[in-house]
Amino acid sequence: GQNIDQPTEMTATEGAIVQINCTYQTSGFNGLFWYQQHAGEAPTFLSYNVLDGLEEKGRFSSFLSRSKGYSYLLLKELQMKDSASYLCSYTGGFKTIFGAGTRLFVKA
Amino acid sequence: DAGVTQSPTHLIKTRGQQVTLRCSPKSGHDTVSWYQQALGQGPQFIFQYYEEEERQRGNFPDRFSGHQFPNYSSELNVNALLLGDSALYLCASSFRVESYGYTFGSGTRLTVV
Repeated sequence: GQNIDQPTEMTATEGAIVQINCTYQTSGFNGLFWYQQHAGEAPTFLSYNVLDGLEEKGRFSSFLSRSKGYSYLLLKELQMKDSASYLCSYTGGFKTIFGAGTRLFVKA
Repeated sequence: DAGVTQSPTHLIKTRGQQVTLRCSPKSGHDTVSWYQQALGQGPQFIFQYYEEEERQRGNFPDRFSGHQFPNYSSELNVNALLLGDSALYLCASSFRVESYGYTFGSGTRLTVV
């Protein structure tokens, strides 16, 4: 079966750091993606992990542990424009499965 | 360099009707995937097309069908529309494997009344 879980909502303060966790269960795994989606817009690619460890890209970092079926997205120096939904997804075979998304609210 | 283009942007249909949604992938991409996204939910995989063939399919009924053309563009067809088919339909393109992530179109908002 296929299952992917992430928190529904999170709130953080501008300038702070926030970690969004994601757990997944799948029989086939090729990689783990994070996407950002602002309300009413299409998802945009943030990061990709295929091997265990941390991938850093500017204010965003993503971590993967394949043995634990666990990933997190770390957002540093939060800005108001980071208020959006963050989608965790994995690829298995020829399809990419998405979680329901975590809505992040950044407050001043 | 154009990204993924979808048409139409919005559509209203009546129950029982049929609808066709269109997608042109990003230049250089040859694989098209279709997703259905209900309000407040993550995208649900419908199917993926590569080399004009359906390569993988999600848990959607046969009312959902598709096609990919030689120029890599794609269509999604939905027959016998139900109220529950109301959603945002997203097209995502990639080059073969998705190592660099999908590029999504802005979607088609389908409302079934």
